[in-house]
Amino acid sequence: EVVMTQSPATLSVSPGERATLSCRASQTVRSNLAWYQQKPGQAPRLLMFGASTRATGIPARFSGSGSGTEFTLTVSSLQSEDFAVYYCQEYNDWPQAFGQGTKLEIK
Amino acid sequence: QLQLQESGPGLVRPSETLSLTCTVSGGSISSSSYYWGWIRQPPGEGPEWIGSIYYTGTTYYNPSLKSRVTVSVDTSNNQFSLKLTSVTAADTAVYYCACQKGSSPLDYWGQGTLVTVSS
Repeated sequence: EVVMTQSPATLSVSPGERATLSCRASQTVRSNLAWYQQKPGQAPRLLMFGASTRATGIPARFSGSGSGTEFTLTVSSLQSEDFAVYYCQEYNDWPQAFGQGTKLEIK
Repeated sequence: QLQLQESGPGLVRPSETLSLTCTVSGGSISSSSYYWGWIRQPPGEGPEWIGSIYYTGTTYYNPSLKSRVTVSVDTSNNQFSLKLTSVTAADTAVYYCACQKGSSPLDYWGQGTLVTVSS
C-alpha cells in the first residue's frame, strides 16, 4: 500500500502571495496524482490530475508538478477563496490513498 | 453531468451494520466506464478510501477495512451501496460516494452524509 505524506500541515500565507504545498508518496505513483480542495461542509473538489493538469474550470494560478514520489501544488497569487484544506490522492493502483491534508490559512 | 446522492441512517449503534446507498443520475451506472466508490472522512481528518466497484461487479477494498466492507451495485435502480459491519465509534465519519474512470481521479462526488456510531 502507498502512504501519502503532505507538508506542511498548516501554511500561513498573505493574500496575493505564493503558496507551495508538498506531497510525497512512499513508493512511485508515476504521474497518477490528484489534488483536491476542500472547504468546510463541502465535498472535496478536484483541482489537478495527472500531477500537472488542471481540472475543468480551475484558474491558471493553480499549478502542479512532480512525478514518481515527489509532488508540488503551487498557488501563484492567493485569492480569498483559495484559503481551504488541500489533499493529494494517488490513483496509480488499488488501494488508493489520500494524504492527511495541508490547511492553507490567511496570515 | 453525473450527480451522486448518498442516503441512509445518520445514527448506527455500535456492533451493528452501517448501510448506505448512492443514487446516480445523469448517466447509467452500467453503460459508463466508471468505477463507483465510497470514501469517508472522520471529523477533522483526511479522506479515507473505503472501496470501489465496477458495474460488472468487480470490487476493490481498502485492506484495513476489507473484512468488514461490502460494496455492491444495483443496475436496475442505478444505485450502488456500502455495508460496513461491526461498527465502532471509530467509524463515525462523513461518508461520500464518488466515481472515477480507470487510472483517473475521483471527479464526481456526492455531498456526503454524516454517520454517527453511538448507543
